[in-house]
Amino acid sequence: QKEVEQNSGPLSVPEGAIASLNCTYSDRGSQSFFWYRQYSGKSPELIMSIYSNGDKEDGRFTAQLNKASQYVSLLIRDSQPSDSATYLCHTGGFKTIFGAGTRLFVKA
Amino acid sequence: DTGVSQNPRHKITKRGQNVTFRCDPISEHNRLYWYRQTLGQGPEFLTYFQNEAQLEKSRLLSDRFSAERPKGSFSTLEIQRTEQGDSAMYLCASSQQGVGTQKLFFGSGTQLSVL
Repeated sequence: QKEVEQNSGPLSVPEGAIASLNCTYSDRGSQSFFWYRQYSGKSPELIMSIYSNGDKEDGRFTAQLNKASQYVSLLIRDSQPSDSATYLCHTGGFKTIFGAGTRLFVKA
Repeated sequence: DTGVSQNPRHKITKRGQNVTFRCDPISEHNRLYWYRQTLGQGPEFLTYFQNEAQLEKSRLLSDRFSAERPKGSFSTLEIQRTEQGDSAMYLCASSQQGVGTQKLFFGSGTQLSVL
């Protein structure tokens, strides 16, 4: 079992829809969780961080964390073509593990 | 401060040659990470420094790889006797110890091609 698992996609949604990206992790000791966006040919860029169970909202983005289920998700509301990218789930700690990423396509 | 800087952006080398990459982190960040990324995969952790101390090194990292951060500022990653399997994007990231630690800020990366 991979330490951080994500559906590779691609996930395709129409413009204006909600995109839902999911991530599961195996290390119950993980305390911090991050979502990064990576455009093709570019380096990852931090978009959300979450440390406590529940939801955290920032603009069109909402991160959700359920430590009991070892599950973290990212919702993107009102998806735009510019959101088309790979989204990487990342657990903190010294081992600092990234998932393989989910490719998102937003169709205009 | 314009962020994390990596040099060179691209490196093409022949198998068996040694290569060295440089990373200049954000000036107030005391933590520095090296990752390797191949197409379709997430960044793979290589090593981590806090100030000048190398605190963690991936077991996946062979003895051909070495990293230094001699004064706790910039860092270098050297690959000796390169192999074609070393071809990848090498990413450097930095973060600040304390609240919000492990929020990583990445450089643009060095794309290595081993022929």
